[in-house]
Amino acid sequence: GDSVTQMEGPVTLSEEAFLTINCTYTATGYPSLFWYVQYPGEGLQLLLKATKADDKGSNKGFEATYRKETTSFHLEKGSVQVSDSAVYFCALGGSYIPTFGRGTSLIVHP
Amino acid sequence: EPEVTQTPSHQVTQMGQEVILRCVPISNHLYFYWYRQILGQKVEFLVSFYNNEISEKSEIFDDQFSVERPDGSNFTLKIRSTKLEDSAMYFCASGGGAGTRTGELFFGEGSRLTVL
Repeated sequence: GDSVTQMEGPVTLSEEAFLTINCTYTATGYPSLFWYVQYPGEGLQLLLKATKADDKGSNKGFEATYRKETTSFHLEKGSVQVSDSAVYFCALGGSYIPTFGRGTSLIVHP
Repeated sequence: EPEVTQTPSHQVTQMGQEVILRCVPISNHLYFYWYRQILGQKVEFLVSFYNNEISEKSEIFDDQFSVERPDGSNFTLKIRSTKLEDSAMYFCASGGGAGTRTGELFFGEGSRLTVL
């Protein structure tokens, strides 16, 4: 079945460090791909998305590129801030029931 | 900005009791979902609802669970006889404006269920 695999966390970084959170997926066909973020005490909210191969989603300095050849959608940010501390979920959707990865906790220290 | 709202934010119940979790989805959305997240684990799909009926459900969504959209605005999840392992955060989500199903979901803040 469809699945999403994310790197284990927590990821701990200093402010202004470069962030990569890996995400790979398994799906038949061509899903849309999403990154959701969950700040402490809140629900999930959409961070960015890409609907077809080679699309790049971006928002709030975060980027992810839909790579069909490697079935990946890695999340990157050039310079993280303390306020980026949250749990990040990779998900696949589109015409599929949205399926979520396990989530990766990011902790950013001043 | 429209948002999905959930009540209660936290409910504590005894094992074997019935629980109803309530959600008000975004008004022009057509697809409604319940997910759950056991502490420290992944977000798991429970059920999707479209056109006043269940469209898909996971293995988790057994006979103890039911969903209802009683009045065109609320979307409820009922657990008939709670078990300890039902303790989790339950998220309601809606998506899909008229004519479109993009997979992008809008989530509520969750209802934390604690079964003692």
